[in-house]
Order: sequence, then C-alpha cells, then structure tokens
Amino acid sequence: DGGITQSPKYLFRKEGQNVTLSCEQNLNHDAMYWYRQDPGQGLRLIYYSQIVNDFQKGDIAEGYSVSREKKESFPLTVTSAQKNPTAFYLCASRRAGQDTGELFFGEGSRLTVL
Amino acid sequence: SQKIEQNSEALNIQEGKTATLTCNYTNYSPAYLQWYRQDPGRGPVFLLLIRENEKEKRKERLKVTFDTTLKQSLFHITASQPADSATYLCALASDSSASKIIFGSGTRLSIRP
Repeated sequence: DGGITQSPKYLFRKEGQNVTLSCEQNLNHDAMYWYRQDPGQGLRLIYYSQIVNDFQKGDIAEGYSVSREKKESFPLTVTSAQKNPTAFYLCASRRAGQDTGELFFGEGSRLTVL
Repeated sequence: SQKIEQNSEALNIQEGKTATLTCNYTNYSPAYLQWYRQDPGRGPVFLLLIRENEKEKRKERLKVTFDTTLKQSLFHITASQPADSATYLCALASDSSASKIIFGSGTRLSIRP
C-alpha cells in the first residue's frame, strides 16, 4: 500500500545529542514537509522540499537540519542547538505545483529529551 | 507574513447538533484552504479543500465555506456524532507559489451523547 512511513515512533535521547528522524514515502510525491506539534497546539512548519536536492526553511527551522537526496526520503535531524526538542514530529508529502490538493501525513515520531 | 487563526481552542456540543468551527487568515487570500481531522497521537487526515472562487463545498455531513471579504472559512458538521470528536485543523499555502503550507492551532471538538 502507498503511504508515508516515519520511524521511530518513539525516541528517547539525552540532552545534547543529535537525533535523526526518518521519513519515507512511496506515493511518488515531489513535495515533502516536516512539522512539529506541541501538546494542545497546531502544526508548525520546520522545513519543506519541493524537489530533490532543494529545500526551504519553514517558520521554526532553527536547531533542525534536513536533506533531500532521494525523492522518497526526507530525514530530519534535531540538533543539540534546538533548545526544546521534546515534541511530536510529523512528516507529510503531496504532489508539487500550485493546484495539488492535500497533504498525506505519516503517523508521527514522538521525541522525548531527558 | 500570512497568519492563520482558529479562534476556538475547544468546542463542546450535544450529539445531533451542528458544529461550526472558524478559521481566519490575515493578508492576501490564499488560492485554497484545507481542513483536516486529527485524532490523538495520529497524523492529520485531509477532509476538504475549498478554492478562492468557491463559496461552499460539501461532502456528506461536512460543509465548508470561504469568504474572501471576511478572510474566513467556516467548517460545519451537521447531525454530529460522538465519533466526530477530534481536533480539526485548517491549513493554507502562505506563499505565492502555494508550496509553504501552514496550519492553524486547531479546534478540539467534543460531541457528547
């Protein structure tokens, strides 16, 4: 079945460690997105990519990094520079272009920094 | 920059009534606006999209309106059921290329039997 797979679902890390969250899609979508969600809050955009080897900062990119070496994959690294990394992270994809419809989301990765 | 607001953090209504959720945006009118449903601990799921030249869109018990003068979209669930209890999010493209998709803070809807 086509979809988006995020891993791991739950992740615990010590303060000061970098963490990489995986996002893979087999929907043949060009565009991919990373959002952060804090308890009781909406989604805030971290990074997005419309095409391989290109990505743009969202509204809260500080302390995060991404790569887009393959169409199917858009990993997110939470670096030690991120001051408050504990959150629920959501990856999404959609067809690129202006009139493209909805985002398809993964099931999320919950990161807890101890 | 474009901002998007959902005024109600939570909404509680009686089963069978119509739930109405509000989404407001600032600045220019987006080419379209989307509504999603999110259950606890899950990723959001797309429900409806309405374009700027459409005043209303329906899907089963769901209805969305788009008023570019008021810079507002309303999301209605008619004949609400306890299974409709979830968080509902509105989203729009905040840039001219329609690639930067931002979300409102969501409204948590509870339908009591």
